[in-house]
Amino acid sequence: DGGITQSPKYLFRKEGQNVTLSCEQNLNHDAMYWYRQDPGQGLRLIYYSQIVNDFQKGDIAEGYSVSREKKESFPLTVTSAQKNPTAFYLCASSGSQGAYEQYFGPGTRLTVT
Amino acid sequence: GQQLNQSPQSMFIQEGEDVSMNCTSSSIFNTWLWYKQDPGEGPVLLIALYKAGELTSNGRLTAQFGITRKDSFLNISASIPSDVGIYFCAGRASGGSYIPTFGRGTSLIVHP
Repeated sequence: DGGITQSPKYLFRKEGQNVTLSCEQNLNHDAMYWYRQDPGQGLRLIYYSQIVNDFQKGDIAEGYSVSREKKESFPLTVTSAQKNPTAFYLCASSGSQGAYEQYFGPGTRLTVT
Repeated sequence: GQQLNQSPQSMFIQEGEDVSMNCTSSSIFNTWLWYKQDPGEGPVLLIALYKAGELTSNGRLTAQFGITRKDSFLNISASIPSDVGIYFCAGRASGGSYIPTFGRGTSLIVHP
């Protein structure tokens, strides 16, 4: 089945540690995105990538980093510089050339203590 | 950037009631998307709209692309307990970025 997978579903880390969230898609989509969701808030864009080896900062990129070495994969690293990393992280992908609907993964809930 | 207002923020209804929610934008949009997010899960695309005046159904859900191109509506008929969740609208402005702007969501609670 085609879709987007995120792993793990729940992640716990100590303050000061970097952590990498995985996102893989087999939809053959060119574009991939990372969003952060906090309780009672909408979706805030962290980073996005239109093609392999290229990515752009979103609205809240500080304290995060990404890579796009393969079309299928777009991992997000939450660094120790991110002041409030505890949140629900969503990965999405979309086609290009007019097919811009985003499809989301199941999310990763990160808790940093 | 674009402003997208989604209302109401939350709704508490009885099973069997109809539900209506809407989104308005400060810009003209050429695409409207409606998503549902179950607790602890990622949003799932329900309906996509591409043309002003377009009315599209998906089971008990019906969404419309407003004639002014600055608003969209989602209706749910005969609600059931599994309709519980957060409903998001999203849209793309004409000539704007391919990345959609998301509303803040409408939280729906259905009492059996």
